[in-house]
Amino acid sequence: DADVTQTPRNRITKTGKRIMLECSQTKGHDRMYWYRQDPGLGLRLIYYSFDVKDINKGEISDGYSVSRQAQAKFSLSLESAIPNQTALYFCATSDPGQLNEKLFFGSGTQLSVL
Amino acid sequence: AQSVAQPEDQVNVAEGNPLTVKCTYSVSGNPYLFWYVQYPNRGLQFLLKYITGDNLVKGSYGFEAEFNKSQTSFHLKKPSALVSDSALYFCAVRDIDTGFQKLVFGTGTRLLVSP
Repeated sequence: DADVTQTPRNRITKTGKRIMLECSQTKGHDRMYWYRQDPGLGLRLIYYSFDVKDINKGEISDGYSVSRQAQAKFSLSLESAIPNQTALYFCATSDPGQLNEKLFFGSGTQLSVL
Repeated sequence: AQSVAQPEDQVNVAEGNPLTVKCTYSVSGNPYLFWYVQYPNRGLQFLLKYITGDNLVKGSYGFEAEFNKSQTSFHLKKPSALVSDSALYFCAVRDIDTGFQKLVFGTGTRLLVSP
């Protein structure tokens, strides 16, 4: 089983709909992240969480919200989806305390907003 | 702010030939540099990192990267490419300007290895 699991793998929705993307991990890491990937732009950080009570905005948080339900679960919501939120979304985790900490990624959720 | 640049959108190489995927960085202070690889329909996977020490860093799957401070580069290399190396490669730098030392990713380089 994957250490970082994202659901759904693919989602097509309409403009204005509320969408939730879910992420769960079995690595026991405190830190969790949501990124979006767009062609030619690389990965950009949406939100990150250092523990259940610590939520922080990343560089492109407008139009998104998150919930850290437990150490292992971190969900991303689009309150009212718009077409330019069409992208590949990745959840990631990391183990804190090291400058060389590496990220562990899920397989991604491809979201299309029509 | 820290940043990385990957000047090539795509690199084409024949199987068995050496490959290089380029990355240059801009940081204040000591750089903490990373390479990640993304295979089709998969999330990114860590390949290697440079923190301090030897300028030649060895990583997974036979890849290595050469840190060059004078040229502010951190190019990814492999002596003999495999078709299975075809993937999207991301260079990243740790941003130490903020309290949270997040990773800043480049735009990615697609590597195509032909048989």
